[in-house]
Amino acid sequence: DTGVSQNPRHKITKRGQNVTFRCDPISEHNRLYWYRQTLGQGPEFLTYFQNEAQLEKSRLLSDRFSAERPKGSFSTLEIQRTEQGDSAMYLCASSPAGLGQPQHFGDGTRLSIL
Amino acid sequence: GESVGLHLPTLSVQEGDNSIINCAYSNSASDYFIWYKQESGKGPQFIIDIRSNMDKRQGQRVTVLLNKTVKHLSLQIAATQPGDSAVYFCAETPMVNTGKLIFGQGTTLQVKP
Repeated sequence: DTGVSQNPRHKITKRGQNVTFRCDPISEHNRLYWYRQTLGQGPEFLTYFQNEAQLEKSRLLSDRFSAERPKGSFSTLEIQRTEQGDSAMYLCASSPAGLGQPQHFGDGTRLSIL
Repeated sequence: GESVGLHLPTLSVQEGDNSIINCAYSNSASDYFIWYKQESGKGPQFIIDIRSNMDKRQGQRVTVLLNKTVKHLSLQIAATQPGDSAVYFCAETPMVNTGKLIFGQGTTLQVKP
């Protein structure tokens, strides 16, 4: 399978714990995006990278959230001191650079905070 | 503010009929639009895209229409099949900034056998 891969698929944790998610993009794509989706809503943009550079961050990305893409390949999204409101589906997408390139999504990591 | 919205939260159609899913956008700076299909427990799946210099684009069984005058986007699905049942989202972005997609709330398509 050469699509976007996300791990884990599900994560259940207690409030206050830290969690980390991983995204492996389509190999030839140098742009990588993170979104958050709550039930019944469309995905909301969090941040994106071009190669290893983080080019844009949403105001939704509080200081408890950090994303990295150290070698311009896979990316990690960490949430520190999780809160109930962090419960959501976290989606990763990738695309080639260039104008008008569609983003291709993984199947997400579903986070549940107890 | 920026928003992309869909007119109907749920659309129910008979198998074999054509489906039309509508979307209104408010950001006049948006010039690239994408339709996604999302099945339960999965990520959004790319269906078709269109740039603002076009008003129509066709794919396999799908057609996207763009009316920039009234900021309206539609997805037409021909001969709807049970496998088309899903939530459909339109998304938009300005071409000059291809980082952020803005999604609407989605339309649930139900196909009756």
